[in-house]
Amino acid sequence: GAVVSQHPSWVICKSGTSVKIECRSLDFQATTMFWYRQFPKQSLMLMATSNEGSKATYEQGVEKDKFLINHASLTLSTLTVTSAHPEDSSFYICSARDPRERETSTDTQYFGPGTRLTVL
Amino acid sequence: GENVEQHPSTLSVQEGDSAVIKCTYSDSASNYFPWYKQELGKRPQLIIDIRSNVGEKKDQRIAVTLNKTAKHFSLHITETQPEDSAVYFCAASKSRRGFQKLVFGTGTRLLVSP
Repeated sequence: GAVVSQHPSWVICKSGTSVKIECRSLDFQATTMFWYRQFPKQSLMLMATSNEGSKATYEQGVEKDKFLINHASLTLSTLTVTSAHPEDSSFYICSARDPRERETSTDTQYFGPGTRLTVL
Repeated sequence: GENVEQHPSTLSVQEGDSAVIKCTYSDSASNYFPWYKQELGKRPQLIIDIRSNVGEKKDQRIAVTLNKTAKHFSLHITETQPEDSAVYFCAASKSRRGFQKLVFGTGTRLLVSP
């Protein structure tokens, strides 16, 4: 299956600083990527849909000015947590679908390994 | 919007027993239902999926059944092994032109005891 990577795998930052997380599709071009947040022992909650070359679509309740998404190329989407606070500490995971699989009507989403953010 | 409920939240079985996890969805237009396995601190891994034009799908010890009328689908794991221990998530989406978002269930923590 397709491979999605994330960087960094973990990050610790001070309250008030900004953190950028990268999501890359390694062997395919992804016009659409998804960003999820997962708190401990909870489910994956979709934050936003990242569209290459256009603005991201945010889910209800997610502050677009706090969670900046940039999908500047077909293989890279970035999530920047601005002015991070301890309550933003979470596991952030991206996913993407391989458009080559559209021909086979497969809807599989491939997930990145996740980034654990800890805000002190 | 779509809402997916998942039960039970935890499930403990003895090695060799079967495990069943159930999910219900609210949007009758949903037509794609994947199941993911997530080990602690790792990414979700797709283990099986089913589309609405199929009632059952099986892959070795894993099977998924779908009842469109009742809007529920289930994951069945037979001959469970300790390495099956993980958190399992069901999800639903409306697959059509373009990439549709997945809505996840709340997860089931499966513990298989030797």
